Amino acid sequence: KNQVEQSPQSLIILEGKNCTLQCNYTVSPFSNLRWYKQDTGRGPVSLTIMTFSENTKSNGRYTATLDADTKQSSLHITASQLSDSASYICVVSAVSGGGSNYKLTFGKGTLLTVNP
Amino acid sequence: GAGVSQTPSNKVTEKGKYVELRCDPISGHTALYWYRQSLGQGPEFLIYFQGTGAADDSGLPNDRFFAVRPEGSVSTLKIQRTERGDSAVYLCASSPGPLAGGRGELFFGEGSRLTVL
Repeated sequence: KNQVEQSPQSLIILEGKNCTLQCNYTVSPFSNLRWYKQDTGRGPVSLTIMTFSENTKSNGRYTATLDADTKQSSLHITASQLSDSASYICVVSAVSGGGSNYKLTFGKGTLLTVNP
Repeated sequence: GAGVSQTPSNKVTEKGKYVELRCDPISGHTALYWYRQSLGQGPEFLIYFQGTGAADDSGLPNDRFFAVRPEGSVSTLKIQRTERGDSAVYLCASSPGPLAGGRGELFFGEGSRLTVL
C-alpha cells in the first residue's frame, strides 16, 4: 500500500529560525513528489514539485530535497516568518497504468507554528 | 474565475439528510478532483474527472456518494443519507489537464466544511 509518513507531527519555532520537515514514502512506482502549504481553513497551495531526476528545488525561503534511492524528502524553511505558520503536506504521485499519474498519496502534514 | 471556487464554505446538516457540494474549477481546466480531509489528516482521494466523465471514482467510500460534471466545468458532489462520519472538509482541485509527466499543477479550492449532527 502506498504510504507517506511525515515528521515531526508538529513543530514550534521562533521567528527567524530555520527548520526542516521530513517526509518518507513507500509509493511505487514513483513519479513525483510535491510539498504543499495549507493555512488553517484554506486549501493546500503548492510549494514545489520534484521529479525523479531532481535532488533539490527552491522556492524563495523554501528548499525541498529528494533522495529517490532512500525514498526520503525534506523541506527546509529559512529565516522563518510568522506567516509560515501552517500545515506542510508531502504528496507523492505514483505512475498509473494508463500513463496519467493523477493519483496522489497525501501525508498527514506537519503543523508548524512560528512564534514571535 | 481566478481560482477554484467551492460552495457552500460551511454546511451543517442533520443525520439522514441529502447534501450537495459545488465546485467551480479554474476556467479551461479539464481535470477536476474531489478530496475529503478529516481533522488532522491529509486529503483523501474521492473521484477524478477528465472532462465530463469520471475517469476514476475508486475513492468514493460507498454508494451514498456520487459526483457529476455534466458540462465538463462545474462539478457537484452529492451525499445521500448523511452520517456523522461524513463530517469533514471536502476539497476540490483542478488542473489544466491530467497530471501526466510529473509537471501538472494542482490548484485547490478553500473547501466545503460539512458537519453532520
